[in-house]
Amino acid sequence: QVQLVQSGTEVKKPGASVKVSCKASGYAFTSYGISWVRQAPGQGLEWMGWINAYNGDTEYAQKVQGRVTMTTDTSTTTAYMELRSLRSDDTAVYYCARFRRGNMDVWGQGTTVTVSS
Amino acid sequence: IQLTQSPSSLSASVGDRVTITCRASQGISSYLAWYQQKPGKAPKLLIYAASTLQSGVPSRFSGSGSGTDFTLTINSLQLEDFATYYCQQFNSYPHTFGQGTKVEIK
Repeated sequence: QVQLVQSGTEVKKPGASVKVSCKASGYAFTSYGISWVRQAPGQGLEWMGWINAYNGDTEYAQKVQGRVTMTTDTSTTTAYMELRSLRSDDTAVYYCARFRRGNMDVWGQGTTVTVSS
Repeated sequence: IQLTQSPSSLSASVGDRVTITCRASQGISSYLAWYQQKPGKAPKLLIYAASTLQSGVPSRFSGSGSGTDFTLTINSLQLEDFATYYCQQFNSYPHTFGQGTKVEIK
């Protein structure tokens, strides 16, 4: 079945980097994009950006532009989201989701990232 | 583009009809999706292209609207529908979400 499986919980210090993975299976990986969404504790959903798995084109939210890099490895059908210079307000659950034509129809289970000194 | 959902929360009973609205700060054609999220879980796609029901989603969910004003309707609310609902626009970047509407049991 179609699924996205994300990497595990991360605890990082301020200023560090984190790289979250999202392993896709059950569909043609390069026919879709992967979006990344985060949710701070008790807050709503925040779109971070997306990557076209076919050609690697990306679009990032201004809030994280310059600190985020989204990549894919088509040989392993895995997407990655790296966030650098972490701050306490980056503490959140990070989700990947399959994206095409105006919807995100399959979501990963979420990865908790905690930034704390 | 900002999306404003109303209400932010509501209390309803099983069997009620519930309506949630999402207003965009500028026209987004029909590039709107609705998601349901339960505590500790990933969001689930309910509706896309403003009114197209995602496969497997019960027919008591429906969406309508275009331009700037959109509605999610749940007919005959069920216990499993108590959750938080979000709209999201795909007309332009960033693909912003509404702030969410929490549907609670009365």
